Amino acid sequence: EDQVTQSPEALRLQEGESSSLNCSYTVSGLRGLFWYRQDPGKGPEFLFTLYSAGEEKEKERLKATLTKKESFLHITAPKPEDSATYLCAVQAGNYGQNFVFGPGTRLSVLP
Amino acid sequence: EPEVTQTPSHQVTQMGQEVILRCVPISNHLYFYWYRQILGQKVEFLVSFYNNEISEKSEIFDDQFSVERPDGSNFTLKIRSTKLEDSAMYFCASTFTLGGSYEQYFGPGTRLTVT
Repeated sequence: EDQVTQSPEALRLQEGESSSLNCSYTVSGLRGLFWYRQDPGKGPEFLFTLYSAGEEKEKERLKATLTKKESFLHITAPKPEDSATYLCAVQAGNYGQNFVFGPGTRLSVLP
Repeated sequence: EPEVTQTPSHQVTQMGQEVILRCVPISNHLYFYWYRQILGQKVEFLVSFYNNEISEKSEIFDDQFSVERPDGSNFTLKIRSTKLEDSAMYFCASTFTLGGSYEQYFGPGTRLTVT
């Protein structure tokens, strides 16, 4: 069964304090791993897609990396506006059209 | 910037009633999805739709659920006989992809409350 877990469940950082979020996955044949940001009461917002181990992508203060069993979202010098829940998802299913989401990491960045 | 829209933003219904949730995906997108998120829980895949038919569906998407693309713009989710446990936020998403990334663009959601 395809599964995604994320840690920590919640993370509080001071502004400027860098850290990493973890996404561990079990899927038969990874087609793609996705990172999303979700603000309270809103739909997820796409951040990154990763396809193969060793791949890295960056956007502003965020950098996503992928290994064969997990992905990390590194946040460098975060700002209060980075506060959100960060979701990881894997592309699964017989035709790659079933997307399995993790429970998310709730990030709070304090000024 | 194009975006996915959903109506209504909040729907209150009584148990056993039928509800239809509506979505307008981004106009040139080809794949459409419905997800639900029970309060405080993770986003759960319901169904994917491509070329006017269901591509995949989850165990949640039983005979009480159906989807339709009645015209070139709308994408609907129907729940025939709502249950208390159907109360959740329902998100529609779409993606373009012809061999590209399945990055999905989500709508703002419809909060469904079943009483």
